[in-house]
Amino acid sequence: QSVLTQPPSVSAAPGQQVTISCSGSDSNIGNDNYVSWYQQLPGTAPKLLIYDNNKRPSEIPDRFSGSKSGTSATLGITGLQTGDEADYYCGTWDNSLSARVFGGGTKVTVL
Amino acid sequence: QVQLVQSGSELEKPGASVKVSCKASGYTFTNYVINWVRQAPGQGLEWMGWINTNTGNPTNARGFTGRFVFSLDTSVTTAYLQITSLKAEDTAVYYCARAPKWLPTPYWHFDLWGRGTLVTVSS
Repeated sequence: QSVLTQPPSVSAAPGQQVTISCSGSDSNIGNDNYVSWYQQLPGTAPKLLIYDNNKRPSEIPDRFSGSKSGTSATLGITGLQTGDEADYYCGTWDNSLSARVFGGGTKVTVL
Repeated sequence: QVQLVQSGSELEKPGASVKVSCKASGYTFTNYVINWVRQAPGQGLEWMGWINTNTGNPTNARGFTGRFVFSLDTSVTTAYLQITSLKAEDTAVYYCARAPKWLPTPYWHFDLWGRGTLVTVSS
């Protein structure tokens, strides 16, 4: 049972958009801690997609966006491509646990 | 080239020990802390803890105390994860990942990851 809750899977056709939610609590996302998002392509290591809630590393295309409101965060992917098929994880710090926590991951499927 | 290079896969018997290495290159080693993340087969990411690359002080997450030891050799810019008294449930891919030392922990993000080391525990 992950501290952060993500939907197990989302899917859409190429060119469409998807959003992935990450639900937390007052001790993590709601406590003004920064959320980051990671993409894990099959058989590879996670890669940073979004940091500080909504910032992108320079090499990440602007099709990927992040937002945060209250105790939840959202990752958006527009112009979906087959290469976006991967598992996506949100992560943040939990003050009550004094630990870095991750969501359970969301598998994105491009139909 | 900025990278974290991890050691290769390991196959160990229950009760044995294993030491995974994570060599940093292309950046100032002591400007970032090193975290360790476990991913069991078919499962999600689990944070194990981190080590301060300036002081060598480790911080273990709950559930990863005792048998899990983080260490450094700054002379070769390498971090290590040692797991003792291995159990079958330790079978997983272990990742090292860096986080900016200048940020407080609630603001961390892991901007560089190693490729992972598969540790298999089987008799």
